[in-house]
Amino acid sequence: GIQVEQSPPDLILQEGANSTLRCNFSDSVNNLQWFHQNPWGQLINLFYIPSGTKQNGRLSATTVATERYSLLYISSSQTTDSGVYFCAASPQGAQKLVFGQGTRLTINP
Amino acid sequence: KAGVTQTPRYLIKTRGQQVTLSCSPISGHRSVSWYQQTPGQGLQFLFEYFSETQRNKGNFPGRFSGRQFSNSRSEMNVSTLELGDSALYLCASSLVGSADLNTEAFFGQGTRLTVV
Repeated sequence: GIQVEQSPPDLILQEGANSTLRCNFSDSVNNLQWFHQNPWGQLINLFYIPSGTKQNGRLSATTVATERYSLLYISSSQTTDSGVYFCAASPQGAQKLVFGQGTRLTINP
Repeated sequence: KAGVTQTPRYLIKTRGQQVTLSCSPISGHRSVSWYQQTPGQGLQFLFEYFSETQRNKGNFPGRFSGRQFSNSRSEMNVSTLELGDSALYLCASSLVGSADLNTEAFFGQGTRLTVV
């Protein structure tokens, strides 16, 4: 089955810095989503981005489907950006998400 | 518009018991999926239902089962609980049910199950 790998596993930055999180997937996908998991466990949708580029405020994402990777950019990081970020992909022909292991982002004041 | 609602939020059960978790999808969403999150295994897909039919199933033992009702609400059941079943169980709903067209999934707040 499809494999999803995220890097780096941990990222520690100072407030105001920019960060790039990467997601590689092993096969063609129909769906690619980025989530932020809040301290209570809920997965908050950041981007639904099977291909192309999207921006939402300080966050943006790019998926290059032909090269099987996606990037999440966070600019001018704030302490509230801290948490675990997950990338998840759906293999073609199946309505299910395969998750990466996550990137734990820590923003220090 | 209400989001995905999962009940209960927290649950403590004894080894050997069974448990039923409930998920109400976003209005109009017909696909409901379940996931288990543990520190060791991460987020893993359990199963997906569409129009009361299980369409996809993950690699979990038969003790894990589910169903979907005509109003798209879904339940999952775990029988003969084991300590290793302690986890956060997340439900997601999606708008379109076609197997060839995946649409954005939205998650509920989860049910945190502790087996003692």
